[in-house]
Amino acid sequence: TQLLEQSPQFLSIQEGENLTVYCNSSSVFSSLQWYRQEPGEGPVLLVTVVTGGEVKKLKRLTFQFGDARKDSSLHITAAQTGDTGLYLCAGAGTGRRALTFGSGTRLQVQP
Amino acid sequence: NAGVMQNPRHLVRRRGQEARLRCSPMKGHSHVYWYRQLPEEGLKFMVYLQKENIIDESGMPKERFSAEFPKEGPSILRIQQVVRGDSAAYFCASSPGAGAYNEQFFGPGTRLTVL
Repeated sequence: TQLLEQSPQFLSIQEGENLTVYCNSSSVFSSLQWYRQEPGEGPVLLVTVVTGGEVKKLKRLTFQFGDARKDSSLHITAAQTGDTGLYLCAGAGTGRRALTFGSGTRLQVQP
Repeated sequence: NAGVMQNPRHLVRRRGQEARLRCSPMKGHSHVYWYRQLPEEGLKFMVYLQKENIIDESGMPKERFSAEFPKEGPSILRIQQVVRGDSAAYFCASSPGAGAYNEQFFGPGTRLTVL
């Protein structure tokens, strides 16, 4: 069974601060996605990483896929109140399309 | 471009009744996935379908749950004889097809409450 562990589970920071969220597994994933979910809504896809060591930037968000494709990180620079939400990582195992989700990191950015 | 559509958004059923959840994938997408999010838990995969075929149902409970994706019309997740433990948010996702990226786009979910 593939498991994805996210840390931290909860994070409360002030606007303008930087933060990093981690997603770790002992399994190799063929691809890994990061989503953001608002209360009462479905997850919204932020990015997909496929290649080990890959780094993708989306404005103030930087996503990295580990060299061994077992872990990933999301770094937010100068957080804004609009970044508040539940961040989820999800990976697909080799040969499978079903996504395994992490338990999520709930981010609260205070003004 | 319409996204993934799910209806109803909220569904209330009494124990023993049937629940039918519908999902229309994004235009051009032929792959549909169903996930369940129990209260205070993460999203769990249930089933993966292509048109008229179930590809992976490894996450589906063995009894009372079934899914279909007919040639015409939406994908349906059907729960027979619902119990309180079925109360959850059910999300549908779609993807354009096989490929290295496996990007799945989610609908807004159906929140099922079993009384």
